[in-house]
Amino acid sequence: DSGVTQTPKHLITATGQRVTLRCSPRSGDLSVYWYQQSLDQGLQFLIQYYNGEERAKGNILERFSAQQFPDLHSELNLSSLELGDSALYFCASSHGTSGGGVNEQFFGPGTRLTVL
Amino acid sequence: LAKTTQPISMDSYEGQEVNITCSHNNIATNDYITWYQQFPSQGPRFIIQGYKTKVTNEVASLFIPADRKSSTLSLPRVSLSDTAVYYCLVGDENTGGFKTIFGAGTRLFVKA
Repeated sequence: DSGVTQTPKHLITATGQRVTLRCSPRSGDLSVYWYQQSLDQGLQFLIQYYNGEERAKGNILERFSAQQFPDLHSELNLSSLELGDSALYFCASSHGTSGGGVNEQFFGPGTRLTVL
Repeated sequence: LAKTTQPISMDSYEGQEVNITCSHNNIATNDYITWYQQFPSQGPRFIIQGYKTKVTNEVASLFIPADRKSSTLSLPRVSLSDTAVYYCLVGDENTGGFKTIFGAGTRLFVKA
């Protein structure tokens, strides 16, 4: 158990709809990252927040948005859903500070989104 | 951003040592090399990170030559449970604009 929680575990919805995925980081972690992983694909970095502020942005679609709240939990909002948005969405957290290199990220169990 | 190249897949047998090499020719001075392991339908798990020479922990060793243009993850005496995808990442999160690039990874299949 990484200490990162994600809800819901599974989500089935229709095209055109909007969903919200939720992530609670490990206690004490200030950074939250969101990733998308389609079937048999590598992990695609979407966005990172650090202590409530956006820190880095990957190939996140304009239909997707995220935020990190004062209690450090984060939500990923996906709107106008398309069939191709079906994927596993992972949230990860890290302490957010390091002496160098990449902060060790702790991944949650993921939310499996199916768009029909 | 430093791009990494890894073999798409590798096969091994239980008890053997497995070495997975990652190429990162345009690695920057401040970049570190990090490896993650991912099992199906689970989030990746940090294995090891290094900057130069050799790093060892209870799970693996990481060998980085002097020019740092490649690195090798070494898994001693693999078991069936080591069957997973292994990702090599290169970067420095303290540099502004860092974005985590996991790439396609190496799919390791350990046979009995």
